[in-house]
Amino acid sequence: DTAVSQTPKYLVTQMGNDKSIKCEQNLGHDTMYWYKQDSKKFLKIMFSYNNKELIINETVPNRFSPKSPDKAHLNLHINSLELGDSAVYFCASSYRGRYEKLFFGSGTQLSVL
Amino acid sequence: QQQVKQSPQSLIVQKGGISIINCAYENTAFDYFPWYQQFPGKGPALLIAIRPDVSEKKEGRFTISFNKSAKQFSLHIMDSQPGDSATYFCAASMYRTGGFKTIFGAGTRLFVKA
Repeated sequence: DTAVSQTPKYLVTQMGNDKSIKCEQNLGHDTMYWYKQDSKKFLKIMFSYNNKELIINETVPNRFSPKSPDKAHLNLHINSLELGDSAVYFCASSYRGRYEKLFFGSGTQLSVL
Repeated sequence: QQQVKQSPQSLIVQKGGISIINCAYENTAFDYFPWYQQFPGKGPALLIAIRPDVSEKKEGRFTISFNKSAKQFSLHIMDSQPGDSATYFCAASMYRTGGFKTIFGAGTRLFVKA
C-alpha cells in the first residue's frame, strides 16, 4: 500500500544509454513531480505535471522527457545518459489544496559509468 | 530571489539536547514554509509546516519559529533522540500561474549522539 512508488530502486548503466524510471501514486493526487538530488543532497525540481499537463520544466536538458499517461503515473525517460546525470531521482505527488504538501517516493539511485 | 539558505550544513547534538536549524528566504511571495525529514535510502517526508501569519508552530518535540520581518525561520527539536538523526530540509513554497513551486534549502545532516 505504498503511496508513491518508483522503480527501479537502483539503476546502473553506461554512458550513452537510454533509461526510464517509472512512478505511480495511489493517493489520488492531481500533481506529480520529478526531483533530482545530487551527491551533496541538494534537492531540485525538474518537472511537475498537473492532471497530465506539464506545469513546470526547470531548465532540464531535453534529454530528459517526462511522460504522464494518466494522473496516477509519471515516468521519466533519459536519453544519451551522461556521467553528470548520476544522482538520486525522486518522484513526488501533491493534492490540490491551499498549500503544496509533497509526498515523495523512495528514490531511484542512478549511476552512470 | 527564489533561494532558500539553510544552516548549518551538519549538526551533532547530544541525546536530550536541543537541535536548531535555521533558514532564510528572500522572496516575500512565499506563503508556506515546510520542513522535510529524510532518512538514508528514503524520500523526504513532510515533518511540520508554518504559514507566515503565525510566529510559532509546535508539534510534539518539533517547533518552527517564524520571523516574517527578518524573512527567517527555524526548526527546533527538543529532547533530541538518536532516532531523529536524519537530513532536514527547510523549504519555501508559493503559488504561481499553473501551480505551486517549492524551493528547498541545501539540507542539514543531524546526528544525535546516544
